[in-house]
Order: sequence, then C-alpha cells, then structure tokens
Amino acid sequence: DAMVIQNPRYQVTQFGKPVTLSCSQTLNHNVMYWYQQKSSQAPKLLFHYYDKDFNNEADTPDNFQSRRPNTSFCFLDIRSPGLGDAAMYLCATSRDPTGTDTQYFGPGTRLTVL
Amino acid sequence: SQQGEEDPQALSIQEGENATMNCSYKTSINNLQWYRQNSGRGLVHLILIRSNEREKHSGRLRVTLDTSKKSSSLLITASRAADTASYFCATDGLASNTGKLIFGQGTTLQVKP
Repeated sequence: DAMVIQNPRYQVTQFGKPVTLSCSQTLNHNVMYWYQQKSSQAPKLLFHYYDKDFNNEADTPDNFQSRRPNTSFCFLDIRSPGLGDAAMYLCATSRDPTGTDTQYFGPGTRLTVL
Repeated sequence: SQQGEEDPQALSIQEGENATMNCSYKTSINNLQWYRQNSGRGLVHLILIRSNEREKHSGRLRVTLDTSKKSSSLLITASRAADTASYFCATDGLASNTGKLIFGQGTTLQVKP
C-alpha cells in the first residue's frame, strides 16, 4: 500500500548529540512536511519542501535542518538536541502546496533527549 | 499565532451517544480539514470542507462550516469505543499557496464501552 513511512519510531539521544529522523513516501507527492508535536499540543509546522524548494517557518530554530535528496525521502536533522526538543516528529506529504489538498501523515518518531 | 481553537478540550461519552466538537478560527480560509490522531500515532485525514460549503457528510461524520462566525463543528454519530482519539481541525490561510495547515489544540474524545 502507498504510504508515508517514518524511521525510527522511537529515538533516544543524548543532550547535544546530533540525530537524524527519516521519512519516506511511496505516494509520489510533490510536497513533504515536518511537524513537531509536543505532548497534548497541536502539531507545529517546522518546514516543508515543494519538490526541491525548501520553505522554513520563521520561528523554526536554526538547530533544525532538513534535506530532501529525492522525491521519496526527506530527513530531519537536529544538530544539538536540547531537552526542549523532546517531542513527536511527524512527516506528512501532499500532492500540491495550495492547502486544498489532504495531507498524509506518517506514524511519527517519538524523540527522547536524555 | 494559533489559527484554530477547539472546544471542548476533552469529551467523555458512552458508546452509542453522539459527540460534537467545535473549532473556531481567526482569518479567512479556503478550506478547513478535520484530522484524527490515535494516541502516539500520526494524524489521519477525516474530511475537508471548502469555504463555499456549509455541510459535509462522510459515514458517521458530519461537518458544518459557518464562515460568518469563523467556526466549524464535527459531529460523530452513534459513537464507538474505536472513536476514542484526539480530533484536530486545521485551516489554511486564504492567501496561502504553501499548503501550510495550522492546527487547533484538539479535542480529546473518550468513548466508554
């Protein structure tokens, strides 16, 4: 089945140790998003790619970076994780970036920072 | 800034009852979407309603949209224990062409068997 896959599902890292989260999709969608969701809060958009064009949200910390080497894969790099970065990280895709399209979410990666 | 606000924050009902969740937003929109999130999982799209629509149905779901009041409601009829989840509304910005969705804080629904 076509889907959005996130690996790993659970990630534990140490304070300050870089970590990379992975997202892949078999939907061949043009747009890929990364959201951060803290406990009992709404998902918050960090950035998105429309094809190869990177769009950063104004309030996304510099500590967060993203790479999209091809249509199928997108990575979230956290250069120096802090305790406040512990959260669920959700990847999503959509066909077009106009906001009229459904977004398809992966199951998420729960990040713990020790 | 937060676009959508939902109430109630938490709702607990018995199986078979109806559940109604409300969402209010601040700016004009092209469409409003509802998503469901089971505990510790990703979000699943439920329904999209466009700004020129007033009501939409999908199975046991009924969504209404009142653009004059900048509000929407999600009704789940004949609820089941499997409906237990968090429900989020999400809006785009009228002038947005980025696909950016802004999510409300969500309503946590518990359906007791």
